[in-house]
Parts: sequence; structure tokens; C-alpha cells
Amino acid sequence: EIVLTQSPGTLSLSPGERVTLSCRASQSVGVYYLAWYQQKPGQAPRLLIYGASRRATGIPDRFSGSGSGTDFTLTISRLEPEDFAVYYCQQYARSYTFGQGTKVEIK
Amino acid sequence: QVRLQESGPGLVKPSQTLSLTCTVSGGSISSGDYCWTWIRQLPGKGLEWIGYINYSGSTYYNPSLKSRLTISIDTSKNQFSLKLDSVTAADTAVYYCAREGYSDSSGYYAILDSWGQGTLVAVSS
Repeated sequence: EIVLTQSPGTLSLSPGERVTLSCRASQSVGVYYLAWYQQKPGQAPRLLIYGASRRATGIPDRFSGSGSGTDFTLTISRLEPEDFAVYYCQQYARSYTFGQGTKVEIK
Repeated sequence: QVRLQESGPGLVKPSQTLSLTCTVSGGSISSGDYCWTWIRQLPGKGLEWIGYINYSGSTYYNPSLKSRLTISIDTSKNQFSLKLDSVTAADTAVYYCAREGYSDSSGYYAILDSWGQGTLVAVSS
């Protein structure tokens, strides 16, 4: 099983700040098999990024993804109030696994 | 725009079978472009992929759940279902159904682009 490790566990930030979230895989997932989701309390996850760097339909361009192999990053260029949430990475290279999530909270 | 809605009992007794149905609207479950997926979220925890089924009935299950799991599809009702046998308190979770499959100019991606709102199932006597 491919294990995804996200860091940090929690980030305390203010609106307007730049955010960088990390997702590391226990083995290579290539360049196309990594997605990012956003989840707010009481809601289902929402797809943000697929193929490591492609924004899903309707996702603002302040969200960007990068990386390949075992190291991936989700960047939010400027935090908006609605971006405070939990972010999960997911690999779909070999079966399907999720990271444990990074919570972005208001400082 | 496709919509998914989970339904089923919110409380199941230990050792019994957990049964949930996902009703799909706004699109046909018979489309060969997608796989119909179940995911769960244990209380206060992350997400666990359970398994999927496609329009023809082919399934792929999480190995850790495979011995207890059955996913089926009813194309006439535009629904797919999950049955998890011999449940314990460790199966208490919010269960989501979702659609896997997204295509753009660069190809097909096995990602979950549409989700139901989720349903909480508690296992307790």
C-alpha cells in the first residue's frame, strides 16, 4: 500500500497569507496520479487539483499544485476566509489512498 | 450536473450487516466513463477508500475490507449499493458515495469529482 504523509498537521494562518502544504508518498506515484481535496466541517470533500497540477473546474487560480514522484505540494497564493479547511492528498497510481490531512485554521 | 445521495439506516448493531444505497441523478449510472465509489471517514479521522463498481458490475475493493464487502449496481434505478458484513464499532463512520472519473484534453484521471453529502452510520447495540 502506498502511504501518503502530509505535513504539517495543522497550520495557523491569517487571511492574505501564502500557504504551502506538503504530501509525501512512500513510493513513486508518477506525475499524473496525485489529487488534492478540500473539506470543510460537515461537508463532503471537494476536488481541487488532479494530475498533480491541474485545477478542477471552478477552482480559483490562487490554488496550485506541483510535484512528481514522491513529493507534492499544494499552494494557496493568498488565503481567503473560505479557504480555512482540511486539505487531503490522494494517490490513484496503485489502488487508492489518502493522506491524513492538513488543517488550515485561522490564527 | 450529477448529484449523488446516500440513504440507509443510521444505526446498525454489532455483527450485523451495514447496507447503504447511493442514488444518482442528473446523469446515467450506465455511462462507461465512470466508476461508482464508496469512501468512509472515521470520526475525527481521515478518509478511507472502500471500493468501486462500474456500469458492467466489475468491482474493485479495498483489500482490508474485501472479505466483508459487497458493492452492487442497479442500472434500472440509477443506484449502487454497499453491504458490509459483521460490523463492529470500528466501522462507525460517515459513508460517502462518489463518482470516479474525469477526462480532459490530456486524458482520463481516476479522481473523485462528485460526492454525496455523506451519511453517518453508527455501530452500537
